[in-house]
Amino acid sequence: GQSLEQPSEVTAVEGAIVQINCTYQTSGFYGLSWYQQHDGGAPTFLSYNALDGLEETGRFSSFLSRSDSYGYLLLQELQMKDSASYFCAVGPDSNYQLIWGAGTKLIIKP
Amino acid sequence: EAQVTQNPRYLITVTGKKLTVTCSQNMNHEYMSWYRQDPGLGLRQIYYSMNVEVTDKGDVPEGYKVSRKEKRNFPLILESPSPNQTSLYFCASSSASREQFFGPGTRLTVL
Repeated sequence: GQSLEQPSEVTAVEGAIVQINCTYQTSGFYGLSWYQQHDGGAPTFLSYNALDGLEETGRFSSFLSRSDSYGYLLLQELQMKDSASYFCAVGPDSNYQLIWGAGTKLIIKP
Repeated sequence: EAQVTQNPRYLITVTGKKLTVTCSQNMNHEYMSWYRQDPGLGLRQIYYSMNVEVTDKGDVPEGYKVSRKEKRNFPLILESPSPNQTSLYFCASSSASREQFFGPGTRLTVL
């Protein structure tokens, strides 16, 4: 079957840097997306990688290694508002049909 | 304001009583999709539509129906709801880009 693995929970301190890993096993690979979801809210798009390497968007960066079927989301200068769940999602053959990880709950301590 | 809207936001119903959850987007997106979200399972795709009159099954389509008669609307229909369909439902839309835009969610409880 197709699956994505990511840690269920990560704890970090305000102002620090945290990395959320995602490994995938899918029938194909079109791209890796990251979404943020606050409690009670809808997922919102953060980042996308189709090619190997690092994509940077402000305090958030995302990395992809297709040969390792692995990616990560890097959050810098953590703020309390970054407390949320983070999901990785892979499109095996398009960006329309996505397989989602179970999500990583990021807990930020003052 | 560009958005995806869903109604109702909350619904409690009983087993077997047909219901429809509406979804509408004002961004002229071709692609629309329905997901359900359950604790510990992430999002699972129910149905998706690449354009008007074009729909296809996702990973968990059993017990659900959809239609796409207009580009902006993509209703989710539960003909005979059962308790295992108690979940948080999200509608999403997208153009040809990488980003999916999600509605606010509908929390459904089937007793």
